[in-house]
Amino acid sequence: DIQMTQSPSSLSASVGDRVTITCRASQGIGNDLGWYQQKPGKAPKRLIYAASSLQSGVPSRFSGSGSGTEFTLTISSLQPEDFATYYCLQHNGYVRTFGQGTKVEI
Amino acid sequence: QVQLVESGGGLVKPGGSLRLSCAASGFRFSDYYMSWIRQAPGRGLEWVSYISGSGGTIYYADSVKGRFTISRDNPKNSLYLQMNSLRAEDTAVYYCARGGGAVDVWGKGTTVTVSS
Repeated sequence: DIQMTQSPSSLSASVGDRVTITCRASQGIGNDLGWYQQKPGKAPKRLIYAASSLQSGVPSRFSGSGSGTEFTLTISSLQPEDFATYYCLQHNGYVRTFGQGTKVEI
Repeated sequence: QVQLVESGGGLVKPGGSLRLSCAASGFRFSDYYMSWIRQAPGRGLEWVSYISGSGGTIYYADSVKGRFTISRDNPKNSLYLQMNSLRAEDTAVYYCARGGGAVDVWGKGTTVTVSS
């Protein structure tokens, strides 16, 4: 099965900071990767699909890049509403695997 | 608008059974793969199962294989998860989601607690 290694597990940042989160796949997955944001007590919300396509309605400060085994989610200028936990999800082949999550805190 | 509403969660003893339901609206249900994804308290997300639009393709995580059964009723726009032989480690919020991989819409979730 494909394993996803997400880093860091948590980070502290300030409003206006540029934030980068990485997911590495144990084998190539093309661009079969999405990024999700989850706030406490809420369902996850998709931000990015196909590694780099922005979900409709999601602010343009969010961007995704990468293909194959290394992927990045970037928040260009962190806003107060962006403090949350972020997950990557690979869906190459039959098995789907989430990264362990990155908690973005003040 | 697209909506997914889960129901059927609750408290059950180890070894017991529970059936979760997900009511879908706002889209052509039969055109989409559907999934169940869970999140244990304080933990990350775990894919449980997905099913194709016709029901002909099904996947289960190893952790639930042989105990859980996913199904769907397209005329009723409904997705189900039959959970048998429940264990403490199945305690989680269970989310219904649209898609079999590139999941785009999630329900609010239903809580399953397995405890004696």
